Amino acid sequence: AQKITQTQPGMFVQEKEAVTLDCTYDTSDPSYGLFWYKQPSSGEMIFLIYQGSYDQQNATEGRYSLNFQKARKSANLVISASQLGDSAMYFCAMREGGYGQNFVFGPGTRLSVLP
Amino acid sequence: ETGVTQTPRHLVMGMTNKKSLKCEQHLGHNAMYWYKQSAKKPLELMFVYNFKEQTENNSVPSRFSPECPNSSHLFLHLHTLQPEDSALYLCASSQDRLAFNEQFFGPGTRLTVL
Repeated sequence: AQKITQTQPGMFVQEKEAVTLDCTYDTSDPSYGLFWYKQPSSGEMIFLIYQGSYDQQNATEGRYSLNFQKARKSANLVISASQLGDSAMYFCAMREGGYGQNFVFGPGTRLSVLP
Repeated sequence: ETGVTQTPRHLVMGMTNKKSLKCEQHLGHNAMYWYKQSAKKPLELMFVYNFKEQTENNSVPSRFSPECPNSSHLFLHLHTLQPEDSALYLCASSQDRLAFNEQFFGPGTRLTVL
């Protein structure tokens, strides 16, 4: 069963504006980690931000922040002040707790930043 | 070199060829992974190695054969592939198999099977 849902196949945003990419997940494990990756056209997956299920604060990394709503099982990525270089595929991923669990990736959202 | 490197970046092969993909990580990690990324499909985990031992084979056909001679190197040997095997093959590494360690990815090998 799919555990990560990204409902936006494609998104457009104007340069310098903020954009939110949606991610919902499904797990019965109380301990898990949530990750966002960026994949430019070159192919490499670039780690952006991490949120642990027990973290009290929303994660932030520079222009990236994660809007973590545990009860709704949502972990949306917010990119502030979009730049042309932000145009890429964005993947949400989850890893359940314990040793040896694997990453599960969502289908991705293609973000296009317009000048 | 830093991070995770993969060679070749592009590969075109016939169905009867034998080729190998190489991955090297310079991060001192103990776990390495092979993923397949096909168009319009989520990333599919293929193999997992932890401390050079294969810990997972995700029902991958035997025409894909992994090899991990040490914690820094990972190979994917290919033989008698099918056109549907054309995809981006990504290698990744992580410190270990704990849940909260991110994976670092290489740039991928884009494989085309004719």
